[in-house]
Amino acid sequence: DVVMTQTPVSLSVSLGGQVSISCRSSQSLVHNNGNTYLSWYLQKPGQSPQLLIYKVSNRFSGISDRFSGSGSGTDFTLKISRVEPDDLGVYYCGQGTQYPLTFGSGTKLEIK
Amino acid sequence: QVQLKESGPGLVQPSQTLSLTCTVSGFSLTSYNVHWVRQPPGKGLEWMGRMRYNGDTSYNSALKSRLSISRDTSKNQVFLKMNSLQTDDTGTYYCTRGSTTVGDYWGQGVMVTVSS
Repeated sequence: DVVMTQTPVSLSVSLGGQVSISCRSSQSLVHNNGNTYLSWYLQKPGQSPQLLIYKVSNRFSGISDRFSGSGSGTDFTLKISRVEPDDLGVYYCGQGTQYPLTFGSGTKLEIK
Repeated sequence: QVQLKESGPGLVQPSQTLSLTCTVSGFSLTSYNVHWVRQPPGKGLEWMGRMRYNGDTSYNSALKSRLSISRDTSKNQVFLKMNSLQTDDTGTYYCTRGSTTVGDYWGQGVMVTVSS
């Protein structure tokens, strides 16, 4: 199985600040078809996860451009700029390249 | 609009079978995949299995011997059955849609407690 390692486990940021979350996979996430199926999700307190970014860097419908994804192969990053109160929650990376699908263990974002 | 909604019992006794239903609207089960993902209390996400748009299924090998996913396209429903439940199967169970990505839309989740 592909192991997804997220860092840090938690972070605290001031409103208006910027944060980066790292996600590393134990194997390359480049699919045979050339796509890289790495997604980022946010789970707000008491809610279901919601998709933010798919295929490394594509923002899902309605997602603010304050969220950006980058990376390739096995190393990926989610950046959040101009942090707002509604951004708090747990961020997960997930891979859809190889079954079983797997997720990182999550990064909890707190607002200072 | 796209919606998924899980339903099923909130309490299951140990060693019994869990049966959950995911009812979808706003899209066709013959065009999109539906995945089941679970989350133990206070922990992360675990992919359980998938019903593909063409009716094929895939399962997490860790659960494969206990898990079955099926569907009724006429009712827009996907079903999950898992037997021999234990206390560590307690958690929230989600169904989520997949296409070029996994989890573009998620249900609200259903909390399942395994306890006698």
